[in-house]
Amino acid sequence: QVQLVQSGAEVRKPGASVKVSCKASGFIFTDYYLHWVRQAPGQGLEWMAWINPNTGDSRCAHQFQDRVTMTWDTSIGTAYVELNSLTSDDTAVYYCTRDDIYTHTWEFDQWGQGTLVTVSS
Amino acid sequence: QTVVTQEPSLTVSPGGTVTLTCAPSTGVVTSRYYVDWFQQEPGQAPRALIYNTNKKHSWTPARFSGSLLGGKAALTLSGVQPEDEAEYYCLLSSGGAGVFGGGTKLTVL
Repeated sequence: QVQLVQSGAEVRKPGASVKVSCKASGFIFTDYYLHWVRQAPGQGLEWMAWINPNTGDSRCAHQFQDRVTMTWDTSIGTAYVELNSLTSDDTAVYYCTRDDIYTHTWEFDQWGQGTLVTVSS
Repeated sequence: QTVVTQEPSLTVSPGGTVTLTCAPSTGVVTSRYYVDWFQQEPGQAPRALIYNTNKKHSWTPARFSGSLLGGKAALTLSGVQPEDEAEYYCLLSSGGAGVFGGGTKLTVL
């Protein structure tokens, strides 16, 4: 069964960092790009970044370029996104999703369940 | 930074047809874009409906179709069902980066 399972909810203070994980199962981890998408409460979806776990190539949306770090562990089929210098505007549900590495057409056919990150003093 | 515009809300009667559109601030949607459409219900993760402008996933109901219409990306629902009431998002990607539209709240009434 194809699944992306994310880590649990996090609470951070402004200025801190948070790291969210996304564990893949039921498919070959290195056959897919992993993307990160977030959704602030009551707001729309926002694409953040992708990583190619084969090559380490990555790309971030302009607004995240200085604050996002993506890593991965192929041995356990898990990708991570870390966001630093958090502000209240980073309070959101963070999703991981996948994209076929051979076509790279952003089909996003499978999504994680989402991880709520709350930034509050 | 490209902004992608969708209708904020639309209302359709059961059994009717409705078209949602998606347009970039940079101009028209061309073949250089990948276009995807997603459905999201409250409290749920998004669900992919359409990719690469007009391709359906195996689970996408036949009443959903994607196209390009007058320079915009379009999602058409024909024979709308009550369960189609949801938020719909388009995603335009090009050159390795993507931008979601603001979403359309579809009401079936």
